Amino acid sequence: AQTVTQSQPEMSVQEAETVTLSCTYDTSESDYYLFWYKQPPSRQMILVIRQEAYKQQNATENRFSVNFQKAAKSFSLKISDSQLGDAAMYFCAYSGGYQKVTFGTGTKLQVIP
Amino acid sequence: DGGITQSPKYLFRKEGQNVTLSCEQNLNHDAMYWYRQDPGQGLRLIYYSQIVNDFQKGDIAEGYSVSREKKESFPLTVTSAQKNPTAFYLCASSYPYNEQFFGPGTRLTVL
Repeated sequence: AQTVTQSQPEMSVQEAETVTLSCTYDTSESDYYLFWYKQPPSRQMILVIRQEAYKQQNATENRFSVNFQKAAKSFSLKISDSQLGDAAMYFCAYSGGYQKVTFGTGTKLQVIP
Repeated sequence: DGGITQSPKYLFRKEGQNVTLSCEQNLNHDAMYWYRQDPGQGLRLIYYSQIVNDFQKGDIAEGYSVSREKKESFPLTVTSAQKNPTAFYLCASSYPYNEQFFGPGTRLTVL
């Protein structure tokens, strides 16, 4: 069974600084997808970024980028120029396609003004 | 506008009652999912459906039931057999090999 581990229950970052959230996963599959979701206090889950395992290039979406290390089964999220609106729970997730998606336990990010 | 709707936003249940949470999507997604989220925790999968008239148990299906009679709808029933149903419930849908889109959630409280 696939597992997703987020070892940092809480993180904090100063506004305008950079922070990296860690995620590791375990799978025997070769083709899969990885995601980072953001859950602000409203509790609405919002997709931040996605990465296809067959792509070697790391995904980037504006201030958000990932460091995908397939051999190490690591998928970290870097947030640059942190803003107050980035404060939220961040969940790493794994999907093998039509199969169920496995979520990590989340990292609560605090942004300090 | 395309999206996922969940109703009600807040739901209160007396012990021994069954309650049904609604989830509707107009994104034309084949797959739909139900998750439970407890305070400070991640999402745990209750049930998922890849196609109409078919669904599979997730990790915590005991005490819950679902149906998938229409592509757009995937209601979740919390039965009296669920001993600790107070939680936040999220519905999601997706195309194959794509990210999930989530509804706004339903907060269920047992009185």
